[in-house]
Amino acid sequence: GENVEQHPSTLSVQEGDSAVIKCTYSDSASNYFPWYKQELGKRPQLIIDIRSNVGEKKDQRIAVTLNKTAKHFSLHITETQPEDSAVYFCAASMRGKLIFGQGTELSVKP
Amino acid sequence: DARVTQTPRHKVTEMGQEVTMRCQPILGHNTVFWYRQTMMQGLELLAYFRNRAPLDDSGMPKDRFSAEMPDATLATLKIQPSEPRDSAVYFCASRASGGADTQYFGPGTRLTVL
Repeated sequence: GENVEQHPSTLSVQEGDSAVIKCTYSDSASNYFPWYKQELGKRPQLIIDIRSNVGEKKDQRIAVTLNKTAKHFSLHITETQPEDSAVYFCAASMRGKLIFGQGTELSVKP
Repeated sequence: DARVTQTPRHKVTEMGQEVTMRCQPILGHNTVFWYRQTMMQGLELLAYFRNRAPLDDSGMPKDRFSAEMPDATLATLKIQPSEPRDSAVYFCASRASGGADTQYFGPGTRLTVL
């Protein structure tokens, strides 16, 4: 069935360290993979996305990698800052809609 | 800075009452999604519309939930009768036409059913 698995569910890092969040998807036809950041009480906001014709995309301190063969993609945040603390969701497109992972609560400790 | 808007932002009601949530998509966006967010289930897709036509409502409990788009600027989600297990944050999101992928979320309606 339609499924996106996300790990870990919680992640705690020291300020300045890197954070990596991983997702796997089930539908080999998926071709769009966004990542959303959701701060407490706020709406999910898109931070980066990647399409299946690209293996890696970078935007300042965040990057996403995609392995289509293995059907997994990852979010990398370097030089983490306290304001990076939030819940991060991955998603994969499936037949016109997005299927979301369960979320990762990232805590960056000063 | 165009944004999706939702009303009300908060709603507290008693079990059995009807609840109506409204969403105004970004002007020109032709696809609208309704999601429910709970701690246990994460972000679940309830239903979505393209050009005001329902495309998929398989995630929605049909006996009590209904979703409509009376016009291109308004989407509604109704629960009748509401139950305590419906307590959640309900998000609306919209997406532009022409093959665009990005969904933009509204601020959500936090529903509490007592």
